[in-house]
Amino acid sequence: NAGVTQTPKFQVLKTGQSMTLQCAQDMNHEYMSWYRQDPGMGLRLIHYSVGAGITDQGEVPNGYNVSRSTTEDFPLRLLSAAPSQTSVYFCASRSLGLLNHYEQYFGPGTRLTVT
Amino acid sequence: AQKVTQAQTEISVVEKEDVTLDCVYETRDTTYYLFWYKQPPSGELVFLIRRNSFDEQNEISGRYSWNFQKSTSSFNFTITASQVVDSAVYFCALSEARNNNDMRFGAGTRLTVKP
Repeated sequence: NAGVTQTPKFQVLKTGQSMTLQCAQDMNHEYMSWYRQDPGMGLRLIHYSVGAGITDQGEVPNGYNVSRSTTEDFPLRLLSAAPSQTSVYFCASRSLGLLNHYEQYFGPGTRLTVT
Repeated sequence: AQKVTQAQTEISVVEKEDVTLDCVYETRDTTYYLFWYKQPPSGELVFLIRRNSFDEQNEISGRYSWNFQKSTSSFNFTITASQVVDSAVYFCALSEARNNNDMRFGAGTRLTVKP
């Protein structure tokens, strides 16, 4: 049981480049989410999904796209990277079942630098 | 919208000292959930505890204890007899029942325990 996995661990982009951060979970969780972590600001929710084919915006969605074609995968796309998107990105998942409704499991993070 | 404030940016203690990390939250929902996560230097996020708004009992887990007080909207975290391995960034977070897809994090408190 790998939990939540993210690739790559590190990435450097030039302004204007595009890329996709990958996230996968093997716990059959319905809910998946993406956060960014910036110094002094904690974690902020970018996008989330409550199931395949269903996505919604979080607190800071601008500049990012997501899709959810399977339960397991929830990729995050940066269409035109900007220096303001330099951050550490965390993917998380949780069950929507009653007992574990609110405990999220986080991936190891992707450190992205945009120059 | 919900909000979490961790006023202590950094705390430094000497091993075996007790330390309390403060967390103050704001919400208009009557049902909500509070969390603490630990982020050690390796960077992953480790779930520590979840507390429901309707359960004000304090909780103790080994050297860790949590004090939930609805009257002051606080959910403080105390480490007794701190150890070097407790050095980490600690995040408090809040999720409202009416919008449980959006978990809000505080900015985090960096705890350094010196030997």
